[in-house]
Amino acid sequence: KQEVTQIPAALSVPEGENLVLNCSFTDSAIYNLQWFRQDPGKGLTSLLLIQSSQREQTSGRLNASLDKSSGRSTLYIAASQPGDSATYLCAVKASNYQLIWGAGTKLIIKP
Amino acid sequence: DGGITQSPKYLFRKEGQNVTLSCEQNLNHDAMYWYRQDPGQGLRLIYYSQIVNDFQKGDIAEGYSVSREKKESFPLTVTSAQKNPTAFYLCASISGRMNTEAFFGQGTRLTVV
Repeated sequence: KQEVTQIPAALSVPEGENLVLNCSFTDSAIYNLQWFRQDPGKGLTSLLLIQSSQREQTSGRLNASLDKSSGRSTLYIAASQPGDSATYLCAVKASNYQLIWGAGTKLIIKP
Repeated sequence: DGGITQSPKYLFRKEGQNVTLSCEQNLNHDAMYWYRQDPGQGLRLIYYSQIVNDFQKGDIAEGYSVSREKKESFPLTVTSAQKNPTAFYLCASISGRMNTEAFFGQGTRLTVV
């Protein structure tokens, strides 16, 4: 059974630092992995989608990597800003319709 | 613009009432999902539907019901049997093709008064 874990559950860093959020999964047979951002009281916004055949995806200051063999994905945020404060969730697509979710990492960027 | 629309944004329910949350998508996606999120918690799957007129229970289906009469619509009814319905409800959709991403609505916050 696929399980997805995000560590740490919460992270607080000063503004301007580069940081890495982690997502691990137990079964390497995935279709893709998606990173989301959730602001308090809001829905989820898709940040990056990595297909199973890809190693990384980049969007602006965000870079997501995928290592299926080790069951890991990382979300790298460069030059963090207070506006990056949010909860970040990863989800593994285990079949055409099945999504398996991590519990999220709550990120606080201190001005 | 394509997307998912949830309504209402806020909903208040009296004890013993049934309430229905709306979710509509114009992305032509096959599958739609309902999740519940409690403060500080991850997403828990309530129901999902892969095709019209078919749906499956998720991990916490008790006290909820759904219908999928149209591809675009997947309403969720929170029944009086749901003893602790106060939560944030999120609807999502995804294409049935292998390498596509999931999209979410903006959520409905349900409060029992």
